[in-house]
Amino acid sequence: NAGVMQNPRHLVRRRGQEARLRCSPMKGHSHVYWYRQLPEEGLKFMVYLQKENIIDESGMPKERFSAEFPKEGPSILRIQQVVRGDSAAYFCASSPTQTVSLHFGNGTRLTVT
Amino acid sequence: TQLLEQSPQFLSIQEGENLTVYCNSSSVFSSLQWYRQEPGEGPVLLVTVVTGGEVKKLKRLTFQFGDARKDSSLHITAAQPGDTGLYLCAGGPDNAGNNRKLIWGLGTSLAVNP
Repeated sequence: NAGVMQNPRHLVRRRGQEARLRCSPMKGHSHVYWYRQLPEEGLKFMVYLQKENIIDESGMPKERFSAEFPKEGPSILRIQQVVRGDSAAYFCASSPTQTVSLHFGNGTRLTVT
Repeated sequence: TQLLEQSPQFLSIQEGENLTVYCNSSSVFSSLQWYRQEPGEGPVLLVTVVTGGEVKKLKRLTFQFGDARKDSSLHITAAQPGDTGLYLCAGGPDNAGNNRKLIWGLGTSLAVNP
């Protein structure tokens, strides 16, 4: 019974490159959430998606960041033209409904050099 | 803006000791969740409390939700090295219970030394 799978676990990008983070939710979960975590800021909600729909992207910067959850395949968080300030741990969580407890993946640690 | 403050920020204790960590707010929450996050991993839900004054026990862990639903505590009895991790609380601000509306504390980093 696989949990939430995120890959890659570690990602190093140079300034200006693109970062693609992938998340496969738990089986039977159709609700996906992306969070960013920095020690001094804690967990910050970025975006909430259901299959093929972005429901709430209020926590995601308007520029350079995008997310999708296609009908087939994992959810993708895409960061274009990365900057040093994008370095953080990015976590994906899934749930069977929007009100039932979250199950988190082990995150992708993005380092921008 | 609703905030959750967790204290202490860091705690280092010896195996076998008892400890309590706190999650406080000036705002009322409809529910409160506690998570543990181990280094290099994602948060794992420990418990959800929803009723003012509620006490829940999970083996050596005791969780309490304040009567006014503004604060919560986590007490660990006879701590073990396996309890080491970051303890996060997250408050649900409304009765709808939407996950994306959770307010997160910064966590208490606990180290239990053998």
